[in-house]
Order: sequence, then structure tokens, then C-alpha cells
Amino acid sequence: EAEVAQSPRYKITEKSQAVAFWCDPISGHATLYWYRQILGQGPELLVQFQDESVVDDSQLPKDRFSAERLKGVDSTLKIQPAELGDSAMYLCASSLAGGAGNEQFFGPGTRLTVL
Amino acid sequence: SQELEQSPQSLIVQEGKNLTINCTSSKTLYGLYWYKQKYGEGLIFLMMLQKGGEEKSHEKITAKLDEKKQQSSLHITASQPSHAGIYLCGAGPRIQGAQKLVFGQGTRLTINP
Repeated sequence: EAEVAQSPRYKITEKSQAVAFWCDPISGHATLYWYRQILGQGPELLVQFQDESVVDDSQLPKDRFSAERLKGVDSTLKIQPAELGDSAMYLCASSLAGGAGNEQFFGPGTRLTVL
Repeated sequence: SQELEQSPQSLIVQEGKNLTINCTSSKTLYGLYWYKQKYGEGLIFLMMLQKGGEEKSHEKITAKLDEKKQQSSLHITASQPSHAGIYLCGAGPRIQGAQKLVFGQGTRLTINP
């Protein structure tokens, strides 16, 4: 069964360091999402890609976060420099298209701890 | 912006008992998604509802969307330990091509043997 792959699963870093997360969506899925989930809360969208283009990055803290999906397949989310408040689960999801009714499939997530 | 409120925030039930989780929206729901999350893992898609009055079932889990499309419920019959986890409702916008999901805060379900 096709799955969304994410790596690493866990990352511990010190504040002010740079971190990067990788996501490989289900083959053929044009839309890719990065969500951040703080412990005890629901996920919140950081950025949405349609193929290689950004559709929505209104909640992405652009002074320290960046995301790319250069060839419209896999994607990288980067934080530089990391802050204590960035500790969270980072979830990647993909869907066939971005329209209503297209369910999103989630990866296992990357749990980030910033010390 | 749309907000989703889930109730209860946590729930402890005896194995074999029925339970219901509610999700209430501040605005009309055009697509309501239910996901389950095991602690520290990703989200598993359960069901999606779009039409007022719609009801869907999968195994022992039934989800409903009310006629006014502002409230959804998730009902589990004869709960089992495998049902334990965090249940999240998510709402999609009306606008095509911008399928950002707004999630509730989640309901943590514990099943006691």
C-alpha cells in the first residue's frame, strides 16, 4: 500500500541550529502539505504545494522557515535558526488534487525537540 | 476564519461500551474529515462527509453530518482497545484548489479493559 514517507522520524537540536525535514508523497499526488502539530492541539497548515508551486504559505514564519518542492515530487522543510517554540510534530500529507473531496494521506511525522 | 470545537477533550470508557465524539464548526462545513492518530504518529483517514444529513459507517465507527452542516458526530459501537487514540475532525474550505484543512484540538480516547 502506498504511503507518505518522512525522515527523520525524530530530531533533537539546539536552538539557533538549522534543521531540515524531508517528505516523499504518494506517487502521482500533485498536492503536498506541511502541517505543524503542537502537543495537545490539532495540526495547523504551514505550506501547501500544487506540483512545484506554493498555493498557500500564509501561516509559514518566513523569517526562519522555508519549503521547496523543486521537481514537484518530494519536498524539504527547513528551519533556520530553530527556536524553543518550534518543538512540535511536523506532518507531511499528500492528495491527488487540491479540490474539495480529496482526502489527504499523512506520513508518520517528524518529532522535533529544540533544546 | 473557521474554527472547530471538539467535545469531550478526553474520554475514558470501558471496553465494550459505546461512545460519541462531537465536532462543532463556527461556519458551514463543506467537507468534514475524521482522522485517528496514535500517540506520536501520523493521522489515519477514517471518513469524509460532505452533504447535510450524510452518514457513513466503517466497521464499528459511524460518522454523521447534521442537516445544517455545522456539527458532526463520530460514534463507536462496542469499543475495543484498538479504538484507543486521538480523534481529530478537520474541515476543508469551500474554495476549490485550496484544500487547507482546519482541525479541531482532538479528543483523546482511552479504552479500559
